Amino acid sequence: DAKTTQPTSMDCAEGRAANLPCNHSTISGNEYVYWYRQIHSQGPQYIIHGLKNNETNEMASLIITEDRKSSTLILPHATLRDTAVYYCIVRGAQKLVFGQGTRLTINP
Amino acid sequence: DSGVTQTPKHLITATGQRVTLRCSPRSGDLSVYWYQQSLDQGLQFLIQYYNGEERAKGNILERFSAQQFPDLHSELNLSSLELGDSALYFCASSLTTSGESKNTGELFFGEGSRLTVL
Repeated sequence: DAKTTQPTSMDCAEGRAANLPCNHSTISGNEYVYWYRQIHSQGPQYIIHGLKNNETNEMASLIITEDRKSSTLILPHATLRDTAVYYCIVRGAQKLVFGQGTRLTINP
Repeated sequence: DSGVTQTPKHLITATGQRVTLRCSPRSGDLSVYWYQQSLDQGLQFLIQYYNGEERAKGNILERFSAQQFPDLHSELNLSSLELGDSALYFCASSLTTSGESKNTGELFFGEGSRLTVL
């Protein structure tokens, strides 16, 4: 499974869009990009995933570059409850391999 | 509520002891995954089972073992416990071995079992 690189931490003001980048330059053609988040010590929560097209659901949008070497998770209107560690994962095989993630803090 | 149930939620034990953590997957899910998260560490994949068979192995110590039973619940056995085994242990489930759950590709995680080894 390809490795990912994310910033260690980010801050965002409440109500603004939070844009979380992820680099996955070694991604291969059949590997998906997944995003999960973990609030405090709770179980990780699925957010969104995509292969090459941009995706949107009720939680977030996922923008994948044309060469698929990077992606951005967008939380359109961040709230205090979005404070969490966000994991970008590239997966083609069976298991999900988590990196260190980005600790996103939403400030009032 | 993810639908994945883990017991016990908290467990305190001593070094050298053995414990068993239990996971009940979501109804209909065939795959079970175990992850370990030590303090301030990321989630480390331990092992995956699909319909009773081991399908993938990660950084699981030889002192640890797991199995998935015919009713699809899973147990993670940790023996000869050391201080460094103190961690949150998460179980996740999905419908298929590829991790695809219907159309979302989602793994559903339980709330974890917090193990403290003194």
